[in-house]
Amino acid sequence: EAGVAQSPRYKIIEKRQSVAFWCNPISGHATLYWYQQILGQGPKLLIQFQNNGVVDDSQLPKDRFSAERLKGVDSTLKIQPAKLEDSAVYLCASSLGAGGNQPQHFGDGTRLSIL
Amino acid sequence: AQKITQTQPGMFVQEKEAVTLDCTYDTSDPSYGLFWYKQPSSGEMIFLIYQGSYDQQNATEGRYSLNFQKARKSANLVISASQLGDSAMYFCAMRGYTGGFKTIFGAGTRLFVKA
Repeated sequence: EAGVAQSPRYKIIEKRQSVAFWCNPISGHATLYWYQQILGQGPKLLIQFQNNGVVDDSQLPKDRFSAERLKGVDSTLKIQPAKLEDSAVYLCASSLGAGGNQPQHFGDGTRLSIL
Repeated sequence: AQKITQTQPGMFVQEKEAVTLDCTYDTSDPSYGLFWYKQPSSGEMIFLIYQGSYDQQNATEGRYSLNFQKARKSANLVISASQLGDSAMYFCAMRGYTGGFKTIFGAGTRLFVKA
């Protein structure tokens, strides 16, 4: 089966600019996650979707970050305006469901550098 | 609040030997799942093994086994017969079965396998 697809792979922007990331989960996976992974740290959950509804966005900086999952499939994560501390790898993951025993399958990530 | 602690920033192991990566956790959730992921230098997160809090037996997947000690709140990963390709970052993660099944990750342990 095809894995989780993310694009772009790399992105370099200046602070205060905007950027968007795209994710296509594994076919049939109802749950989609966006994580932020700062260098040297573990991933931090930004937002979790169940189909096209938001389950958890408690750690999403809503003044600058937004995400949507239209039609319960693809998802986009946007940052506007970007700050220096947003430099990180943004990982998208999906799972069959939100059940506690469901492993998450990750994409290759987007490495974002803010100048 | 949930917390994952990985106290070993880096570990060295000789090829073909076994190695244990430590993980302790804290949660008030009566039911939860514990996961280990591998992240090679290329960046993708690879699911390795899962242990449910009510599972009576320790989980095993090929060369990976999880040493689960519920009373001590530890879920150590054991890799047997280490291979050079095992060199990577390893993350322990936990998901509670309540509160939206939010997943948290530890800071990770970098494993170096020596020839």
